[in-house]
This record gives sequence, C-alpha cells and structure tokens, in this order.
Amino acid sequence: TQLLEQSPQFLSIQEGENLTVYCNSSSVFSSLQWYRQEPGEGPVLLVTVVTGGEVKKLKRLTFQFGDARKDSSLHITAAQPGDTGLYLCAGEPNFGNEKLTFGTGTRLTIIP
Amino acid sequence: KAGVTQTPRYLIKTRGQQVTLSCSPISGHRSVSWYQQTPGQGLQFLFEYFSETQRNKGNFPGRFSGRQFSNSRSEMNVSTLELGDSALYLCASSLRGWQETQYFGPGTRLLVL
Repeated sequence: TQLLEQSPQFLSIQEGENLTVYCNSSSVFSSLQWYRQEPGEGPVLLVTVVTGGEVKKLKRLTFQFGDARKDSSLHITAAQPGDTGLYLCAGEPNFGNEKLTFGTGTRLTIIP
Repeated sequence: KAGVTQTPRYLIKTRGQQVTLSCSPISGHRSVSWYQQTPGQGLQFLFEYFSETQRNKGNFPGRFSGRQFSNSRSEMNVSTLELGDSALYLCASSLRGWQETQYFGPGTRLLVL
C-alpha cells in the first residue's frame, strides 16, 4: 500500500507570510497532483507535476516534484485569506492497477 | 464543460434507514469513483465504476453499494445507516480510471442521527 504523508497537519499564519507544505512517500509516483478543498466543497485540482525536479508556478503558489518522484512541496508566497483550505496531495501510481493515493492533508488557515 | 454534480447536497437520516446519493460525471468521463471523507480518517476510497461495471472496491462493508448507468451517471446506496456513516461523500470522475487525476463534485453531506 502506497502512503503519502503531509506536513504540517495544521498551519495557521498571518496574512502576508510565506509557507511551505510537504508531501512525502517512500514510493515512486508517475505524477503528483495538488488539490485545494474549501469547507463543504469537493477538492479542486490545482496542478499536476510529472517530471522529477519539475517546478510549476501558479501565481503565488510554487509546486515542486522531487527528483526521485517520491515527494513534493507547495510553497505559498504572501499568503492571503483566500488561500485558506485543506490542501491534499495525490500520487498517481507508477505501475499496475493501483488507485490514486491521497495524502493525509494540510489544513491551512490564513488570519487577516 | 460542466463539472461533476452531486445530489442532494445535504441529507439527514436516522440510524437504520437507507440512503441513495446521485452523481453526474463530466461529459465524456466514463470512470466514476466514490470517496468518504471524515475529519478522522481523511479521504477513503469506496469504489470505482467504469462502463457500468464495478472495477475496484475499497475496504468498506457490504452496506455500501453502487451502480453506474449507461450514460455514466452513478448512484451510491448505503443501507442500515450507522452513526459512523456521517461524512462528506464525494464523487469524482475521470477519463480512464481511479489511477489518474480525479475531478470532484461538491459532495453530499450526510448526517446520521
């Protein structure tokens, strides 16, 4: 069974600060996705990273896929209240008939 | 292109009752997966349907069942509800299956009293 551990589990910071969320596994994934989920809604896909070492930027959000394709990070610059939500990473299996593996989640709160 | 839709959005039931949740996938998506999300357990995979067949199943009791219709719409049924079934039930669709990017609906919030 593939596992994805996210850290921190909870994070509460002031508006304007920077933060980094981590997603780690001992398994190799063919791609990794990040989702954001707001209260009472379903997760919404933010980005997919495919190549080891890949870096993708989405406005103030920077996503990086580890060289070995086992881990990823999400960095937010100058956090805003609209960034509040549950951030989930998910790994697409590298082989076989395995399901998309979801991480444990990071609940982020940005304080105005 | 319209997203994944789920009905109803909210539901209150009592123990012992049964419930049916509905999901309409993104047009062209043939795979529909169902997930249960709770604060303590996170996102748990229930099952996946593809072309009207259950292709994969998670570790849930037989009280949880589903089906998929020829238009790819899917329903999930939970019989003999228990208090622990209170959760957000999410439906997700994709082109090829459970291993790739999932596009989620808004979910159905089920409360069992």
